[in-house]
Amino acid sequence: ILNVEQSPQSLHVQEGDSTNFTCSFPSSNFYALHWYRWETAKSPEALFVMTLNGDEKKKGRISATLNTKEGYSYLYIKGSQPEDSATYLCAFNSGGYQKVTFGIGTKLQVIP
Amino acid sequence: EPEVTQTPSHQVTQMGQEVILRCVPISNHLYFYWYRQILGQKVEFLVSFYNNEISEKSEIFDDQFSVERPDGSNFTLKIRSTKLEDSAMYFCASRSGGDYEQYFGPGTRLTVT
Repeated sequence: ILNVEQSPQSLHVQEGDSTNFTCSFPSSNFYALHWYRWETAKSPEALFVMTLNGDEKKKGRISATLNTKEGYSYLYIKGSQPEDSATYLCAFNSGGYQKVTFGIGTKLQVIP
Repeated sequence: EPEVTQTPSHQVTQMGQEVILRCVPISNHLYFYWYRQILGQKVEFLVSFYNNEISEKSEIFDDQFSVERPDGSNFTLKIRSTKLEDSAMYFCASRSGGDYEQYFGPGTRLTVT
């Protein structure tokens, strides 16, 4: 059974603070790691897909890193804004299979 | 920007009834997926569909579930005889052939009473 763990499950930060969360996944048979941003009542929005060990991706103030050997990925948000408030989901593909296994998500609340 | 759409946004049904959840994936996409999220739990993979057939399914996707792409644009999930535990948010997703990125619809909230 593949298990994807995310921590913390919930996080409150002040506007302007930088923050980061973790996703851990099985390190064997790695294929791809996805990060999604999910606001209530909206579609989960793809942020990054990473496939290579050492990948670093950036979109505005949000960036992510990937370590497939040890089975973790970090998502960083620099200078958090209230509009960053959302649940951030991590998901993992193994071995080229279509199935994507999700973590429980990190719910971020940015306080103005 | 093209997007995945789903109808209805909320469906209430009685236990034992059949429901069909509808999705319109992005038009040039080739791979299609259904996921569900029971309240408070993780998003779970149900099934993937490619080239007019199921390519992978989870243990949740038993004989009560079926998928179809009847007309080249819609992608449907049918639950033949709903149970209380089928109450969840059901998401459809699609992706193109050359990309890992899956695009999600807004979900259908299914409530079985």
